[in-house]
Amino acid sequence: DAGITQSPRHKVTETGTPVTLRCHQTENHRYMYWYRQDPGHGLRLIHYSYGVKDTDKGEVSDGYSVSRSKTEDFLLTLESATSSQTSVYFCAIKEGRVKNEQFFGPGTRLTVL
Amino acid sequence: DAKTTQPTSMDCAEGRAANLPCNHSTISGNEYVYWYRQIHSQGPQYIIHGLKNNETNEMASLIITEDRKSSTLILPHATLRDTAVYYCIVRVATGGGADGLTFGKGTHLIIQP
Repeated sequence: DAGITQSPRHKVTETGTPVTLRCHQTENHRYMYWYRQDPGHGLRLIHYSYGVKDTDKGEVSDGYSVSRSKTEDFLLTLESATSSQTSVYFCAIKEGRVKNEQFFGPGTRLTVL
Repeated sequence: DAKTTQPTSMDCAEGRAANLPCNHSTISGNEYVYWYRQIHSQGPQYIIHGLKNNETNEMASLIITEDRKSSTLILPHATLRDTAVYYCIVRVATGGGADGLTFGKGTHLIIQP
């Protein structure tokens, strides 16, 4: 699993509340990613990071922000959660030995009521 | 990235070879074919990738047609644990880049006992 953990694994929250999801890796990988997966869809990229304090937007970044203050942690924040952000969120790292080989975390199931 | 087309679902008997097709008729000369799979409720898992030659590893074989417009992922002796959604992804192998993967809807492979 490339030493990737996500927390929390499950969360139920209410519309309008802030939510922060954490991705933690233990192997000092430079590249980290946040994806979301909705029923009947593949994964869609939200944000990614290419180093400490270096982040960029993905395909579906509206309503999300990220931070990476240290190599091992990549945080995804929903400033004011909406029901459309109910989804499963996956964090990933890129190992680099094989180009574009990404390792994914176990996922966080978020429900916004 | 080139667009890919995969069947929505497929069945295969346990112990038989599972052959999963993927069409990528607009693939560019510098784009690789990657395969990932996602077992229910888990994060995606890298399987194999190739440019134009056939590739084999401990998990699967990848056959790419000579014109590179289509490919087939082969699981030689499918087991029940191979039941998953299989994603075919085409993209440039920018090992130093940070952008993420684009997942379509994939093929839901069901291994029948």
